[in-house]
Amino acid sequence: SQTIHQWPATLVQPVGSPLSLECTVEGTSNPNLYWYRQAAGRGLQLLFYSVGIGQISSEVPQNLSASRPQDRQFILSSKKLLLSDSGFYLCAWSPSGAYEQYFGPGTRLTVT
Amino acid sequence: AQSVSQHNHHVILSEAASLELGCNYSYGGTVNLFWYVQYPGQHLQLLLKYFSGDPLVKGIKGFEAEFIKSKFSFNLRKPSVQWSDTAEYFCAVNPYTGGFKTIFGAGTRLFVKA
Repeated sequence: SQTIHQWPATLVQPVGSPLSLECTVEGTSNPNLYWYRQAAGRGLQLLFYSVGIGQISSEVPQNLSASRPQDRQFILSSKKLLLSDSGFYLCAWSPSGAYEQYFGPGTRLTVT
Repeated sequence: AQSVSQHNHHVILSEAASLELGCNYSYGGTVNLFWYVQYPGQHLQLLLKYFSGDPLVKGIKGFEAEFIKSKFSFNLRKPSVQWSDTAEYFCAVNPYTGGFKTIFGAGTRLFVKA
């Protein structure tokens, strides 16, 4: 069966520091991968999605970037964090060609 | 811009009451539709989906949803809720021409009193 991992589960970082959140999927190949930010009362905001290695689509211009160095690895990064980057970040995957998504446990990021 | 509206942010019901959560979307073309659920302490998970065919779709745990194209709606229903249905419910829409981009509603928090 397929599983999705995200780490770390929680992270506290100072303003101006770099960020790297990692997501990996097991048990499937060539998945579509997604990064979302979830804010209370505001649903999920799609940040990036990828349909293949090195292929990244950005949905919201901001202080973050994403990379997909391997087929089942998706990384969310920032060179310098802002206070407004605080939030709950979710990674998701869907089978290639499919639209239903399967979510990871999330990372709670607090920028201080 | 494309959007998804969930009518109620918070719903409180007693066990055995009937549930209907509203969802409307603003895209005029063909869409794929989803309801996701997040139980306390658990991952967000798929509850049910609609791609085509019978507009009444059934999901896990006795939930169903009806797609009404003329109303741009995809409301979630359950005839008799249980305490274990306490969760946050998200409606989501994938516009057919939007590739794999899916737009989520703001969510509805359901609390079921035992």
